This record gives sequence, structure tokens and C-alpha cells, in this order.
Amino acid sequence: QKEVEQDPGPLSVPEGAIVSLNCTYSNSAFQYFMWYRQYSRKGPELLMYTYSSGNKEDGRFTAQVDKSSKYISLFIRDSQPSDSATYLCAMSVQIAGNQFYFGTGTSLTVIP
Amino acid sequence: DADVTQTPRNRITKTGKRIMLECSQTKGHDRMYWYRQDPGLGLRLIYYSFDVKDINKGEISDGYSVSRQAQAKFSLSLESAIPNQTALYFCATSASGQGWHGYTFGSGTRLTVV
Repeated sequence: QKEVEQDPGPLSVPEGAIVSLNCTYSNSAFQYFMWYRQYSRKGPELLMYTYSSGNKEDGRFTAQVDKSSKYISLFIRDSQPSDSATYLCAMSVQIAGNQFYFGTGTSLTVIP
Repeated sequence: DADVTQTPRNRITKTGKRIMLECSQTKGHDRMYWYRQDPGLGLRLIYYSFDVKDINKGEISDGYSVSRQAQAKFSLSLESAIPNQTALYFCATSASGQGWHGYTFGSGTRLTVV
């Protein structure tokens, strides 16, 4: 079993829709939870990170962590065509020296 | 200029050839990483280095070697390339010290082994 599981999609939504992206994980020691966005032919770029359980909001993006269920989510409100990308979840255990464990990524297309 | 620069951007090489992928950074970060990305498998750690004298194997180091020539430079070598090393390779950096530090990725090297 992989440590981090992520539905690869692809996901296709109309502009303005609310998008929900999710990951599950098995290692209860994970403390930091991240979302990276990767455009075609580019490296991943950090979108948001959260520590432990709870919600974090940044503009149209909300990250949610439920450690009891080992489940994290990224919500995108009012989705735009520019949000079309692959979204990668990642997790780390601080004590392990900042090594990250990545999901496989979900491909999202927002249709104008 | 990009904070993390990878060269070459694309490379096609033959089975059995030695090839080096290079990474340089202007972030001033101590930590550097090499990942490969494959469809359906995601990003997997090959090697990482926490400073110039520190090299560590990652999840999938077999068939690869690295060199940390300076704080800003971290190279990945395939001693004898094989077709299943065809992948997208990313270099990443992060700061060290207290607190959480995210990665900064380069734009990747697309390697094809024929």
C-alpha cells in the first residue's frame, strides 16, 4: 500500500464550479500537509500547506486536514481556466528531515 | 533567472550510455533533492543532500549516483542508462533550520532512453 493515495482523475469542470481534490494516507506520523500545483512542462509549485488538523484558506483555495480519518482535501472556489493543472498532495514528518511523500497527482481541466 | 535551474531540459540517450543531469540554485538553500516523476507513480525520491558533505539514498537510488559539487550544485548521473529510466526528473531545494520549509522545484529534465 502506498503511503499517500490520490485519485488521478482526470477531472473536468465548467468555469465557476467548486472543485474538490482529495488524498488519503496511511502514516499517522505525518504532520505537514501540502498541495502543489504543476502546470504542463513545469515543476510543481507550492500552493498551500497546513500543520496538523484543521482548515486553511487562501483566496479561492481552502485546504482541509482530518487526521482522525487520514484524509486531506483542497477546495477551489469559482474555478478558472487558469486553474487547469495537475494538483499534487504531499506530506511530511518533520522529524524525518523534511522528506516529502507525494500523491500521484490529479489532473484538472476547467472549461471556459 | 530561475531560482532552480536544471540542464538539459530534454535529452534522448541510448541504452548503456552514461548521462549527467545538472541542477544549480540561487536560493541559498542547504538541502537539495532529486526526484523522478512517472505517470501513475508520482514523484519518487532518488537522492538527497542536506549539505555539501552529506549524501543520502532515497526510495529508488539503484542505477543512479549523485555529486554535490558545491552548496548550489547537485548533479545526478545515470552510469549506464536503461529504458525504464525514461522519466521526468526534478531537482528541488529547501531551507534548513527550525520550522517547516517547502520545496522549490526546477522545471525538470525530460529524459528518454532508447
